[in-house]
Amino acid sequence: KAGVTQTPRYLIKTRGQQVTLSCSPISGHRSVSWYQQTPGQGLQFLFEYFSETQRNKGNFPGRFSGRQFSNSRSEMNVSTLELGDSALYLCASSLEGALGEQYFGPGTRLTVT
Amino acid sequence: KQEVTQIPAALSVPEGENLVLNCSFTDSAIYNLQWFRQDPGKGLTSLLLIQSSQREQTSGRLNASLDKSSGRSTLYIAASQPGDSATYLCAVIGIKAAGNKLTFGGGTRVLVKP
Repeated sequence: KAGVTQTPRYLIKTRGQQVTLSCSPISGHRSVSWYQQTPGQGLQFLFEYFSETQRNKGNFPGRFSGRQFSNSRSEMNVSTLELGDSALYLCASSLEGALGEQYFGPGTRLTVT
Repeated sequence: KQEVTQIPAALSVPEGENLVLNCSFTDSAIYNLQWFRQDPGKGLTSLLLIQSSQREQTSGRLNASLDKSSGRSTLYIAASQPGDSATYLCAVIGIKAAGNKLTFGGGTRVLVKP
């Protein structure tokens, strides 16, 4: 069974631009969550999608948004990029319910210059 | 608000020594606790998942215990090897949080010296 895949793996963007990251969950998994990892703040929850609906949202500005498609693939978008958005963005997938093990992808390294 | 703490932040041991990694959480109302390993610049690899009704979980050289009442979990790695060098993170899913939100600790960076 293929694992969680994320594309692209690396991105370099300029302040003020926008970016879209993609995540394909493990086949059969309907829950996709996104996390931001930085050296200063650690791993912080962005949002979770389940069956195309946002089920939970972290404490991030509205510049961060996401969506999920009917095949469970998810995208997150960051508009008006700031230097502080430079981070490793990780997505995780799991089966329905909070009792399931979560599996992470390799991440997308975003650098904002 | 759930807070997860991992102490120490870094640990260095000689090869062959047993590793003991600690994780504490402030709200005992959790669904489960999960331990992960992260190599530099990489994603997270799931090591063990402990449901709230369980006391421990084992996989090979790894053993994780959970004491929900005291808000603690411990990950034991027996007979450490240089390949065990990585950052270890624990995370909980709280009952009060909707969905599958994981709250992470800051991690313990482990170096196993040959």
